[in-house]
Formats: sequence, C-alpha cells, structure tokens
Amino acid sequence: AQTVTQSQPEMSVQEAETVTLSCTYDTSESNYYLFWYKQPPSRQMILVIRQEAYKQQNATENRFSVNFQKAAKSFSLKISDSQLGDTAMYFCALGSGEYGNKLVFGAGTILRVKS
Amino acid sequence: KAGVTQTPRYLIKTRGQQVTLSCSPISGHRSVSWYQQTPGQGLQFLFEYFSETQRNKGNFPGRFSGRQFSNSRSEMNVSTLELGDSALYLCASSLGRASNEQFFGPGTRLTVL
Repeated sequence: AQTVTQSQPEMSVQEAETVTLSCTYDTSESNYYLFWYKQPPSRQMILVIRQEAYKQQNATENRFSVNFQKAAKSFSLKISDSQLGDTAMYFCALGSGEYGNKLVFGAGTILRVKS
Repeated sequence: KAGVTQTPRYLIKTRGQQVTLSCSPISGHRSVSWYQQTPGQGLQFLFEYFSETQRNKGNFPGRFSGRQFSNSRSEMNVSTLELGDSALYLCASSLGRASNEQFFGPGTRLTVL
C-alpha cells in the first residue's frame, strides 16, 4: 500500500520569511511522481510543484522548492519570501502505477502567512 | 483555454436517493479522475477514466460508479446515498501520462440529509 504522511497539521509564518512543510511517503513502486498541491479557501486545487522520482535534482518553481530525499522517502516543500496569498492548505501527493494518475494524498498542512 | 468545469457546484439530497455529477475536462485532455474530499478521510481517489475506459479504481463501494463519453466528459454516479457521502467531489483532467499535471475543477459540494 502507498501512504503519504504530513506530520504538521498547521503552521504559520511571517510575511517575507521562509517556511518548510514536511512530507514522507512509502511506496514499493520504482517509478513514481511526487507533487505539492495548494488548496486556498476557494477550494480550487492548484499544482505548486512536482518531482519525478528518477530525477536527483530538486525541483524549483520561483519561490517554491523541494528537498527530495529518495532513500529517506522524504519530500519537503520550502516556500521562500512568503506572501499573504500563500495562505492555504498544502497537500503532498504521490502518483504511481502504470499511468501515475492515481494520486494518494497526505492529510494536508494548513499554512497561515501573517502580516 | 477553459479550465475544468464541474456541475452542479452544490447539491442537496436525502438518504437513499441517487446523484449524478458531471465533469468537463480541459480541451484535449483524455484522462479524468475523481476524488472525494471529507474532513475525516481527506482526499481519496475514486476512479480514473481514459478514452472512455476505467483505467484506475480506488477502494470505494460499488454504489460509486462513473463513465466517460467520447468527448472526454465524465459523469460520476452515487446510488443509495448515505450520510457519509456528504463531501466535496473533485475531478481532475490531464493528458493521461504519469508525468502530466492534473488540473482540478472547483468541485461539487454534495450534502446528504
């Protein structure tokens, strides 16, 4: 069975500061993908960043970057220069299987950015 | 390019009834996946359709079913509704490969009374 664990139910950060959200996962698949999705109060899920497991280089998208530790099965998200608009629920997700479209989500971390 | 649309956005039903939710994917996307989001269970995968065929299935009872049409639009049906089926139902579309991003719709909020 595949599992995704987010151990931080809630976090807060001051505007312009850096915050790291944790995620660990478990899978027996050799080929898989990892994602961070953001769900703001509007409930619209938005992809933040993704990482292919076969790539050693950590993915980066503007202020968002990941620390992918494959051996430790860890996939954390770092948000730099936090902005008020980053306030949302963040979900870590694992996609695997033949087509990778079956996503397993973690429980989520509520991130509040304070001014 | 228009995003993923879901109809209706809100729905209220009573126990024992059945309901059909609709999802229109982004133009050109052949894969549609459905997820159930509840406060207690979080986000859970229901099923995925690709080119009118169910390609992946989650661990939900047979009361939950779906289908996909030739234009890639998908419907999800829940029969004999239970109180526990109250949830936000999200659909996501993609080109269909594992590396492709899944684009989510705004969801349908189903309340079962």
